[in-house]
Amino acid sequence: SQQGEEDPQALSIQEGENATMNCSYKTSINNLQWYRQNSGRGLVHLILIRSNEREKHSGRLRVTLDTSKKSSSLLITASRAADTASYFCATDEEKLTFGTGTRLTIIP
Amino acid sequence: NAGVMQNPRHLVRRRGQEARLRCSPMKGHSHVYWYRQLPEEGLKFMVYLQKENIIDESGMPKERFSAEFPKEGPSILRIQQVVRGDSAAYFCASSRSGGNLNTEAFFGQGTRLTVV
Repeated sequence: SQQGEEDPQALSIQEGENATMNCSYKTSINNLQWYRQNSGRGLVHLILIRSNEREKHSGRLRVTLDTSKKSSSLLITASRAADTASYFCATDEEKLTFGTGTRLTIIP
Repeated sequence: NAGVMQNPRHLVRRRGQEARLRCSPMKGHSHVYWYRQLPEEGLKFMVYLQKENIIDESGMPKERFSAEFPKEGPSILRIQQVVRGDSAAYFCASSRSGGNLNTEAFFGQGTRLTVV
C-alpha cells in the first residue's frame, strides 16, 4: 500500500515565489526523505528528516515534520526555473515507498 | 565512484520476447530496489533485494517477472513474454543499508522499455 502521498498533485508558480508541497503518511516512521525527479531522469535525494526532528534546512529547502499529524512539508524558497521537476516523499518502510509526487512548474 | 548504472537506457522488444534489465549498484551498496514508472505517474515499488536474497517482492507480478542480485555482478530484472502493458520506465536504486533507512538511496537513470 502507498505510504507517502504528496499534495498538491501539481503546482505552478512564478519564478521567485516560494513553493510548498505536503506529504502525508499512514504508519509510524523513523525518517522521511524528499526526492526530486527531472523529466525522464532518475530521482535525486534532497533531504532526510528523522522522526525526532521537527525542521531541517538545506540551502533553499526547508522541510518540516509533524509526527502527530503524520505529515511533512517541503518549502522551496525563491524558486528558480531549474526547480521545475516532480517531488516525491519516501518513508522508511522496509522497501522505501514513494508517493505519486507533486509536479512543480516554475514560470519564468 | 560511479553512480548507479542501468543498462540498457532504452530497450525495444516485440510482444512475447524477454526483456532483461541490468542494474549495477554504487560501490559498497548491498541493497537494491526496483521500481516501475508509467508516464506522469509516481514510482511503483516492485522488489527489494540484498546480495543473493530477495527481501520483499510484494510489488512484483507473480508471473513473468523475476529479479536477482547475485553475489557477483549486477542485479537483473527479467520480464518474460512481454506484453504492451509492460512498457514503462524501470528504475533501480541502491543504498548502503536497508530496512529502517538512515541513509539515502541513489537512483540510476532508468531503462525505458517499449513493447511493440
